[in-house]
Amino acid sequence: AQRVTQPEKLLSVFKGAPVELKCNYSYSGSPELFWYVQYSRQRLQLLLRHISRESIKGFTADLNKGETSFHLKKPFAQEEDSAMYYCALSIQTGANNLFFGTGTRLTVIP
Amino acid sequence: KAGVTQTPRYLIKTRGQQVTLSCSPISGHRSVSWYQQTPGQGLQFLFEYFSETQRNKGNFPGRFSGRQFSNSRSEMNVSTLELGDSALYLCASSPGPPDNEQFFGPGTRLTVL
Repeated sequence: AQRVTQPEKLLSVFKGAPVELKCNYSYSGSPELFWYVQYSRQRLQLLLRHISRESIKGFTADLNKGETSFHLKKPFAQEEDSAMYYCALSIQTGANNLFFGTGTRLTVIP
Repeated sequence: KAGVTQTPRYLIKTRGQQVTLSCSPISGHRSVSWYQQTPGQGLQFLFEYFSETQRNKGNFPGRFSGRQFSNSRSEMNVSTLELGDSALYLCASSPGPPDNEQFFGPGTRLTVL
């Protein structure tokens, strides 16, 4: 069965420091991987997905099929990056049944 | 464009009752998905509707059902409510294949007493 693991519930970094939010998945096929973000008092929204290979708000994530990981990285954290981050997986290309990890709350310390 | 709207935003019910939640997708979006969010289980997929047909279903009991109308609006129904059904229910819409970027609504907070 498919599973998404985010090992850190809480992560604190100083402003300007690099940040990496970990995501590991288990699925025998070829999944689509996503990162969703929820800022305080806002809705859950898509941050990025592996198929687009974009950099959004300075964040990047590379799908590593060998390590079954999709870690989210940013070289210099900003205070506005403080939010809840969810890694999600879809087992069907183009489908909308996402399997979410439990989330990591990132706090950027000024 | 207006975002995804969900009504009601808050709901209190007692065990054994049933409840219907509503979701209006972004104009032009044909896919609507529902998720349950609880502190213990996190975000869990309930079901997805596309062009009035259930396309995918999560691992929830038959008490949870849904439907989609011709205007893409969707409802989900939970019958014989249990205490464990207390949760935030999120709806998300997307244009439909091949674009599966989901846009989430604010959620309906259901409390079962």
